[in-house]
Amino acid sequence: SAVISQKPSRDICQRGTSLTIQCQVDSQVTMMFWYRQQPGQSLTLIATANQGSEATYESGFVIDKFPISRPNLTFSTLTVSNMSPEDSSIYLCSFGQVGYTFGSGTRLTVV
Amino acid sequence: QKEVEQDPGPLSVPEGAIVSLNCTYSNSAFQYFMWYRQYSRKGPELLMYTYSSGNKEDGRFTAQVDKSSKYISLFIRDSQPSDSATYLCALNSNSGYALNFGKGTSLLVTP
Repeated sequence: SAVISQKPSRDICQRGTSLTIQCQVDSQVTMMFWYRQQPGQSLTLIATANQGSEATYESGFVIDKFPISRPNLTFSTLTVSNMSPEDSSIYLCSFGQVGYTFGSGTRLTVV
Repeated sequence: QKEVEQDPGPLSVPEGAIVSLNCTYSNSAFQYFMWYRQYSRKGPELLMYTYSSGNKEDGRFTAQVDKSSKYISLFIRDSQPSDSATYLCALNSNSGYALNFGKGTSLLVTP
């Protein structure tokens, strides 16, 4: 089965800065999903990224804050912009059709 | 009411016990049901996948879906310390669509 490589695995960032998270899949996939997992909470969908079109964002998430790129069928990035401590979380990418594969996650701490 | 409810635990059992993990849901359109295992500082790993109602068994793991009650379960037989992790249920209404997750249940299996 296909494998996702996600990086960085963790980072500590200053408030007001931005961090770009990358996910690389070893085969072509149509849709990729970006989730946020806050401590003690379930995974929350941020957006769905389809190659060749704008990402679709869920309620509460906006493109200016979480811009996503999907330049081809194997790669996607999520940027967390103008960070505040409330953005401290684990960010995960995923793909799938029947059963879904997840990246190992990016643990972000904003100080 | 959240779409997917899952008791976060923690649940502590002795090695060899049978573990029962459960989720309830409110959206009758859900027809794909998954269980994920997540170890600390790792991404979720797909354990079981079922479509519609019924049982599915894979080794020590059994997944049950009761759509009439909107209730899903994961049973772990002969639990091992290596089963200690957070277990997340995930549901969606169409294959290829984003998942709706429960909060996850933290399981500790003690030797």
